[in-house]
Amino acid sequence: NAGVMQNPRHLVRRRGQEARLRCSPMKGHSHVYWYRQLPEEGLKFMVYLQKENIIDESGMPKERFSAEFPKEGPSILRIQQVVRGDSAAYFCASSPPGTGETQYFGPGTRLLVL
Amino acid sequence: GENVEQHPSTLSVQEGDSAVIKCTYSDSASNYFPWYKQELGKGPQLIIDIRSNVGEKKDQRIAVTLNKTAKHFSLHITETQPEDSAVYFCAAKGTYKYIFGTGTRLKVLA
Repeated sequence: NAGVMQNPRHLVRRRGQEARLRCSPMKGHSHVYWYRQLPEEGLKFMVYLQKENIIDESGMPKERFSAEFPKEGPSILRIQQVVRGDSAAYFCASSPPGTGETQYFGPGTRLLVL
Repeated sequence: GENVEQHPSTLSVQEGDSAVIKCTYSDSASNYFPWYKQELGKGPQLIIDIRSNVGEKKDQRIAVTLNKTAKHFSLHITETQPEDSAVYFCAAKGTYKYIFGTGTRLKVLA
């Protein structure tokens, strides 16, 4: 059973470009979480999704950021018009259905905005 | 809002000694408390967890204790080894949302 997969692992963008980060959850997992981690800091919750539904996006910046988890395919975190402050590691975690289940993390995407 | 405090932020121990990391949470509805280990350039890896109906759990050299009344939980690593060096994060989960501590950088000195 493959773990959580994220791609790309590293992404370089210039200011104003768009960044698309992909997350494929573990098999059988229908819940996806996205987190942002700045260097030397902890994990900040961004958004929680289930298939075709955004359950909680209270950690997402109001502008430029969006997330989706379609019925088919990976979850996508999209950042439009990136700025230098968006540079960070973005981690995806998945968990199976149920409210008490453990989440497992992917290897992360390291975004660098030039 | 919900908050998890984690201490210490850095911890150095001699190989073979024990290491203890402590966390305090604010949301009394939290019912699940995982601990993650993160090595440089990698994603967090679950190392142990505990649910609110249990006071202590042990897995080889790693143990976690939970005091629900005081809203405290702790990670204990015994007989530390150099490969235990990493950043450790605690987390508290309510209905579905995880709140993470700020991390402890553990360095095990050979």
